[in-house]
Amino acid sequence: AQTVTQSQPEMSVQEAETVTLSCTYDTSENNYYLFWYKQPPSRQMILVIRQEAYKQQNATENRFSVNFQKAAKSFSLKISDSQLGDTAMYFCAFMKHVGGSEKLVFGKGTKLTVNP
Amino acid sequence: GAVVSQHPSRVICKSGTSVKIECRSLDFQATTMFWYRQFPKQSLMLMATSNEGSKATYEQGVEKDKFLINHASLTLSTLTVTSAHPEDSSFYICSARSGGEVFIQYFGAGTRLSVL
Repeated sequence: AQTVTQSQPEMSVQEAETVTLSCTYDTSENNYYLFWYKQPPSRQMILVIRQEAYKQQNATENRFSVNFQKAAKSFSLKISDSQLGDTAMYFCAFMKHVGGSEKLVFGKGTKLTVNP
Repeated sequence: GAVVSQHPSRVICKSGTSVKIECRSLDFQATTMFWYRQFPKQSLMLMATSNEGSKATYEQGVEKDKFLINHASLTLSTLTVTSAHPEDSSFYICSARSGGEVFIQYFGAGTRLSVL
């Protein structure tokens, strides 16, 4: 079974600085997808960024980028120029697509606080 | 991104009653919807996968007679918690997959269920 591990329960960063959230996963699959979701205090889950495992190039979305190391099964999220609105829980998630199954497996989350 | 509406956002009910939660995809058709449960300060756990026009697929340990899922149209899935008990109190979140963006799930804002 796939597992996703986020080793940092909580992190904090000063506004405008850069922070990196860690995520590792365990799978025997070769083709899969990885995601970072953000859950602010409103509890609405918001997709931040996604990465296809077959792509070597790291995904980037504005201030958000990932460092995808397939061999190491690592998928960290870097947030540049942190903003107060980035304060939220961040969940790393793994998905494989086999026979129509698209089950998302989430890590336990990292609570990020951006301080003014 | 695509919008998923979940209703109600909060419900309080007496033990033994049934509660229905609706999940609607507002601007896209969703052949597949997912229901998650999130305990306080924990991650999301998939309860079941809902496919339009067919029976839902439940995860191991989830009672299908307790959590009834109906996906009668391409834009609506419902979760009914039957004969609710205090231990069913939790945060329930639905998501829907947009056919145009494979493997991306868009989430509703969640429903907080409190059973007295």
